[in-house]
Amino acid sequence: AQSVAQPEDQVNVAEGNPLTVKCTYSVSGNPYLFWYVQYPNRGLQFLLKYITGDNLVKGSYGFEAEFNKSQTSFHLKKPSALVSDSALYFCAVRDHSGGYQKVTFGTGTKLQVIP
Amino acid sequence: GAVVSQHPSRVICKSGTSVKIECRSLDFQATTMFWYRQFPKKSLMLMATSNEGSKATYEQGVEKDKFLINHASLTLSTLTVTSAHPEDSSFYICSASPGGRGLDEQYFGPGTRLTVT
Repeated sequence: AQSVAQPEDQVNVAEGNPLTVKCTYSVSGNPYLFWYVQYPNRGLQFLLKYITGDNLVKGSYGFEAEFNKSQTSFHLKKPSALVSDSALYFCAVRDHSGGYQKVTFGTGTKLQVIP
Repeated sequence: GAVVSQHPSRVICKSGTSVKIECRSLDFQATTMFWYRQFPKKSLMLMATSNEGSKATYEQGVEKDKFLINHASLTLSTLTVTSAHPEDSSFYICSASPGGRGLDEQYFGPGTRLTVT
């Protein structure tokens, strides 16, 4: 079984400061990892994904995430937070061990960027 | 590109009636579509996966006779909540995947807020 943990319900950061939203995962095979963002009353928007290759993945809106296999983590980062980054962020994982398997989402982390 | 629409965005219905929600991929063909339910302060719960032209695969605990899913074309999937009850009130989100390598990414619709009175 695969699972995703987002240990923080909410992260507060001052505008201009770097931000990190944490995610750890568990799969039996090789993971495909994703980050999505959800704005109020909206669907999810794809930010970035890790499939293979470089551990540092760059995505939309200046976000990046680092895949760490030994720590089974895929934390989302941004060097300088904007007020407009305030939203709900979801980490997701799919086990790429052959055949299609569903994507499992974390419980989400609310990011609040304070002006 | 990769736009998914949902209609309606909000619906209020009376208990016992049925409601149909449409999910359309506007600029790509969606081999696979997914239906999720999102509870307040909770993650997305996958309800079912549908492939064009075949029966949907429902997740454990989801009543297939209550949540009817039809994926009649490569751009349209519908979710019908039959005999709705207040506990069915929720935010329903669909997503679509182009298939193949694109199966890795899902493109989400804006969601439908269902309120059953």
